[in-house]
Amino acid sequence: QKEVEQDPGPLSVPEGAIVSLNCTYSNSAFQYFMWYRQYSRKGPELLMYTYSSGNKEDGRFTAQVDKSSKYISLFIRDSQPSDSATYLCAMSRNFTGANSKLTFGKGITLSVRP
Amino acid sequence: DTGVSQDPRHKITKRGQNVTFRCDPISEHNRLYWYRQTLGQGPEFLTYFQNEAQLEKSRLLSDRFSAERPKGSFSTLEIQRTEQGDSAMYLCAGEATGRNGYTFGSGTRLTVV
Repeated sequence: QKEVEQDPGPLSVPEGAIVSLNCTYSNSAFQYFMWYRQYSRKGPELLMYTYSSGNKEDGRFTAQVDKSSKYISLFIRDSQPSDSATYLCAMSRNFTGANSKLTFGKGITLSVRP
Repeated sequence: DTGVSQDPRHKITKRGQNVTFRCDPISEHNRLYWYRQTLGQGPEFLTYFQNEAQLEKSRLLSDRFSAERPKGSFSTLEIQRTEQGDSAMYLCAGEATGRNGYTFGSGTRLTVV
């Protein structure tokens, strides 16, 4: 079993839909939970990060972490065609410095249809 | 421009040849990471440097792989005697103390034929 499992894709939704992306993990030592967006032939870019359990909102994006269930989610409201990309969840023990190496899910490709 | 440059963007090589990739972070990036991403998978950690010191290496980094970061600035990743299984995107990321996480470069795509 991989340390981080991400819901398989691809996912195609109409513009304006609410998108829910999910990951589960097995390592209790993970404290930081991140969502990255990756466009084709580019490196991942950090969308949001959350420390421990809880919710975090940034514009149309909401990240949720439930450490008791080892489950994280990213919600995208009012999805736009420009949101079409691969979304990767990632986790680490620390956010910076020692033990900040990231363990990624395999990613899910999202397509938002106009 | 992400602040992390990688060169070349794409490398095609024959099996058995040696290849070297370069990563140039910005000066504030005291930590530098290498990851490998195969098609349809998330990036996997290879190694990381704190300034010029290589502090951790993954089991994925076989003895055919070597990474350096002389003087704590740019970094190189060399693969000797390439195999078809080495075909992947090699990503470099920089991190500055107190900043908001990693900044990834656009990667070097390696194709071994």
